[in-house]
Amino acid sequence: NAGVTQTPKFQVLKTGQSMTLQCAQDMNHEYMSWYRQDPGMGLRLIHYSVGAGITDQGEVPNGYNVSRSTTEDFPLRLLSAAPSQTSVYFCASSYSVSGGWETQYFGPGTRLLVL
Amino acid sequence: AQSVAQPEDQVNVAEGNPLTVKCTYSVSGNPYLFWYVQYPNRGLQFLLKYITGDNLVKGSYGFEAEFNKSQTSFHLKKPSALVSDSALYFCAVRAPGGYNKLIFGAGTRLAVHP
Repeated sequence: NAGVTQTPKFQVLKTGQSMTLQCAQDMNHEYMSWYRQDPGMGLRLIHYSVGAGITDQGEVPNGYNVSRSTTEDFPLRLLSAAPSQTSVYFCASSYSVSGGWETQYFGPGTRLLVL
Repeated sequence: AQSVAQPEDQVNVAEGNPLTVKCTYSVSGNPYLFWYVQYPNRGLQFLLKYITGDNLVKGSYGFEAEFNKSQTSFHLKKPSALVSDSALYFCAVRAPGGYNKLIFGAGTRLAVHP
């Protein structure tokens, strides 16, 4: 298994540009999520999904869109990039959606710089 | 509101000495607590978790954590530190509302010196 994969590894955008961060997992996990990591703030949840066709907002959803058309893929879209979105983005997945005790598996991250 | 605090930005320890990385939490209901580690330029890796049962939880790479309900703490420990343990450590608690949403602490950087 490749686990959780993310592309690209690094991206530079200009303010106002749009882009999609890709996330895929090959473990047949129901639950997938996106976090952003900023210095001194840990990881904060952006959006999450409990299955294909079902998504919901996390702690910091503004400026980001998600969709989940398949179990494997969970792309994160930045509609109009802003410097405040400069961050490292992590995708994570876990097998089941309920309970809250599931171990989550993280991708290697995408480092985004918005100028 | 659920929250996690890691009071130390950095912990320095000599190789071979015991290490402790502190974490305190605030939750309503039963706490589900986790420790993750992040090595440079890598994603987070699961170390261990407390759901219920024994207060001392053993995890990967020789790490363990002690759950203390009265002090609302979940400190990460290792009897003998290795230079390769140097990394960023995150404590996390299950967020309210179910599912597998996590609330992370700010992280503690562990530096183990030879």
